[in-house]
Amino acid sequence: AQSVTQLDSQVPVFEEAPVELRCNYSSSVSVYLFWYVQYPNQGLQLLLKYLSGSTLVKGIDGFEAEFNKSQTSFHLRKPSVHISDTAEYFCAVSRTGGGNKLTFGTGTQLKVEL
Amino acid sequence: ETGVTQSPTHLIKTRGQQVTLRCSSQSGHNTVSWYQQALGQGPQFIFQYYREEENGRGNFPPRFSGLQFPNYSSELNVNALELDDSALYLCASSAEGSSSYEQYFGPGTRLTVT
Repeated sequence: AQSVTQLDSQVPVFEEAPVELRCNYSSSVSVYLFWYVQYPNQGLQLLLKYLSGSTLVKGIDGFEAEFNKSQTSFHLRKPSVHISDTAEYFCAVSRTGGGNKLTFGTGTQLKVEL
Repeated sequence: ETGVTQSPTHLIKTRGQQVTLRCSSQSGHNTVSWYQQALGQGPQFIFQYYREEENGRGNFPPRFSGLQFPNYSSELNVNALELDDSALYLCASSAEGSSSYEQYFGPGTRLTVT
């Protein structure tokens, strides 16, 4: 079985400042890694994913994440945030060859302030 | 390209009743997954349907059941509703066998059980 830990339930940050949202996972098998964003009263939108290859993954809206196998982490970063980035962010994993069944973390609420 | 749609948007039911939620998958997608997202939590995998057969199930009791139709749309049925079933129910579609491993989420159905 897999599990995902997002230690920060809320992250406040000022506009144009950098941000990092932390994600650690546990799995006895190899996994794919994902970050999703959820705006109020909406479904989930994929920001980026790691399947294989380069450990630095670039996604939409200027987000990037780095896969660290030794630390079982997949932290999300953005060098300069905007008010519109205020949302809930979820890290998720799925077992390779496991048919896209996602295990999510509990989410991190990013609040961007002026 | 039509995205994933879900109906109804909101629903209020009484404890003990039964409910059916509906999902239309994105064009070209043959796999539908259902997730339950309780307030303040990450989505939890309920089950997945591929070619009208259940293709994996999470830790949910049998009163949660589903169907997939030949056009790949899907239903989630919940019998004997309990207060803890109050949640946002998300449907996600994907193309089994695709190398992208991406799931596309609908906006969800908000179920309130009183």
